[in-house]
Amino acid sequence: RKEVEQDPGPFNVPEGATVAFNCTYSNSASQSFFWYRQDCRKEPKLLMSVYSSGNEDGRFTAQLNRASQYISLLIRDSKLSDSATYLCVVNNGYGQNFVFGPGTRLSVLP
Amino acid sequence: DAGVIQSPRHEVTEMGQEVTLRCKPISGHDYLFWYRQTMMRGLELLIYFNNNVPIDDSGMPEDRFSAKMPNASFSTLKIQPSEPRDSAVYFCASTTQGAYGYTFGSGTRLTVV
Repeated sequence: RKEVEQDPGPFNVPEGATVAFNCTYSNSASQSFFWYRQDCRKEPKLLMSVYSSGNEDGRFTAQLNRASQYISLLIRDSKLSDSATYLCVVNNGYGQNFVFGPGTRLSVLP
Repeated sequence: DAGVIQSPRHEVTEMGQEVTLRCKPISGHDYLFWYRQTMMRGLELLIYFNNNVPIDDSGMPEDRFSAKMPNASFSTLKIQPSEPRDSAVYFCASTTQGAYGYTFGSGTRLTVV
């Protein structure tokens, strides 16, 4: 089993739609969780951290379920500019070493 | 801050040649990571340093790959000899304890023909 798994997509949604991405991780000792966004031919950039209590940043909501080792990202009122690959990132239980999931590709269509 | 700086942005080389990729982390960041990204395998951690010391190099594919960090502001990833299967985008990233996640450089797109 891979350390971090994501549905690769692609998710093709119309503008204004709500879309949710899921991520599972295998290391129960993981302590830090993030979502990154990667545009085509660009570097990954931090989108948001994921906290145990769940957190929201504008149209984006991240949630963590430690018992199920599951992380989610919800995007509301999707925009064309949200089209990108979304990477789930989990630390491996120690230090600053993070494992990146394979990413989920989102295409928001006009 | 200029962010993480990588050079070159693009590199095309012939099989068998030596390739050197360079990275300058964000000033004050004491962790530096080298990643490789391909369509097939996604982002793979090759090696990471803490305070210029290699901590985990288990991701380095084979002896053809080597990485150094002679000081806090510079690191290199060398491939010798290069092979077509090394073609990928190589990212450098840095962070520090307490920071949220990594900051990536723009990457080096390597093509070995």
